Amino acid sequence: ETGVTQTPRHLVMGMTNKKSLKCEQHLGHNAMYWYKQSAKKPLELMFVYSLEERVENNSVPSRFSPECPNSSHLFLHLHTLQPEDSALYLCASSQDTGVVSPLEQYFGPGTRLTVT
Amino acid sequence: LAKTTQPISMDSYEGQEVNITCSHNNIATNDYITWYQQFPSQGPRFIIQGYKTKVTNEVASLFIPADRKSSTLSLPRVSLSDTAVYYCLVGGHGSSNTGKLIFGQGTTLQVKP
Repeated sequence: ETGVTQTPRHLVMGMTNKKSLKCEQHLGHNAMYWYKQSAKKPLELMFVYSLEERVENNSVPSRFSPECPNSSHLFLHLHTLQPEDSALYLCASSQDTGVVSPLEQYFGPGTRLTVT
Repeated sequence: LAKTTQPISMDSYEGQEVNITCSHNNIATNDYITWYQQFPSQGPRFIIQGYKTKVTNEVASLFIPADRKSSTLSLPRVSLSDTAVYYCLVGGHGSSNTGKLIFGQGTTLQVKP
């Protein structure tokens, strides 16, 4: 248990569906992240939020839409996905010191997404 | 961000010490070196982080030479439960001082009985 929870743990959706992934951190951190991990590929950083402001969008297609309503919650809204978007989606959080980030991030268990 | 190179896979036996070396020739002055462990279908877990020389915690040791162009993660007396993928990451802070982790392929460690 890392203090970062993700729901749902598994999701199957069609290409025309709209769904949302939820992440919640109980660590008092001020930065949150979305990563994508496809089969046999490295983790890819998708979005970074610091103090509820998006500071990084790593060339992610617009069919992925993040939302960070407060420092404890992060959502990833999904619509008109493609089968190649099937992957493990991981949320993480960290404490941004404002001086030098220690790069110590706490990851949730992930949501296994299958697009049919 | 500095690129890292580490072996794709390693095998070991229970009770042995395992050393995984990572190369990061283009490491920048502000960069830290961080290692993560990942089990199948789980998120990565932070193991250890260092800037220079040697760092030790209850799980592992991290050795960093003076030029910082490489680092070695040392796992003492591994057990079967240490079978996992180990990632070496190098980075500093982004435009708003937020850490950016760039994961490579990692090293798949297989511990045998």
